[in-house]
Amino acid sequence: QVQLVQSGAEVKKPGASVKVSCKASGYTFTGYYMHWVRQAPGQGLEWMGWINPNSGGTNYAQKFQGRVTMTRDTSISTAYMELSRLRSDDTAVYYCARDGQYYYGSEYNWFDPWGQGTLVTVSS
Amino acid sequence: QSVLTQPPSVSGAPGQRVTISCTGSSSNIGAGYDVHWYQQLPGTAPKLLIYGNSNRPSGVPDRFSGSKSGTSASLAITGLQAEDEADYYCQSYDSSLSGSVFGGGTQLTVL
Repeated sequence: QVQLVQSGAEVKKPGASVKVSCKASGYTFTGYYMHWVRQAPGQGLEWMGWINPNSGGTNYAQKFQGRVTMTRDTSISTAYMELSRLRSDDTAVYYCARDGQYYYGSEYNWFDPWGQGTLVTVSS
Repeated sequence: QSVLTQPPSVSGAPGQRVTISCTGSSSNIGAGYDVHWYQQLPGTAPKLLIYGNSNRPSGVPDRFSGSKSGTSASLAITGLQAEDEADYYCQSYDSSLSGSVFGGGTQLTVL
């Protein structure tokens, strides 16, 4: 079955960077865009961007441009999201989520399935 | 302040029908972009409920249905069950932001 397994919780200091991984299994990794979505404690969902695992192309939400980098390693079917210059309001659960459309991924599409989430805590 | 507006909470008794609205504008839902819905049970990741305005993925009960009209969309849940108690989110694309956007979420309480 299709599964996304994320790396474990992280605690970082303000100004540092964090890199979260998302290992895919059960499908052709390069056939579906991977999105990243975050959720601050008690808050709603916020889309951060996507990566095309086939080409490595990316599209980031305006809010995160300049601070986020999405990469992938096709040899191990894993996507990564790195967020730099962390602030306390970056404390959130970060999810990876597969695009719903094979080959024709985009920010217009739905996300299914989702990873289990990775809690990133930013605190001095 | 989310681009898509949802009521913070709704409630209903077991067996009843409830609807959750998702109100947008001319740069998202009103521009014709599709709306998708997710269910998030406490402490878990979101799960796709409805895609492309009204389509149910396999495994989602037909008690859940979606619709869209003008600048709004709705999620309807009939035959409410205790297990439906969760947060529900709508999602669409916004051309002003050039990205995907979510509603603020609606907490459903089964009385």
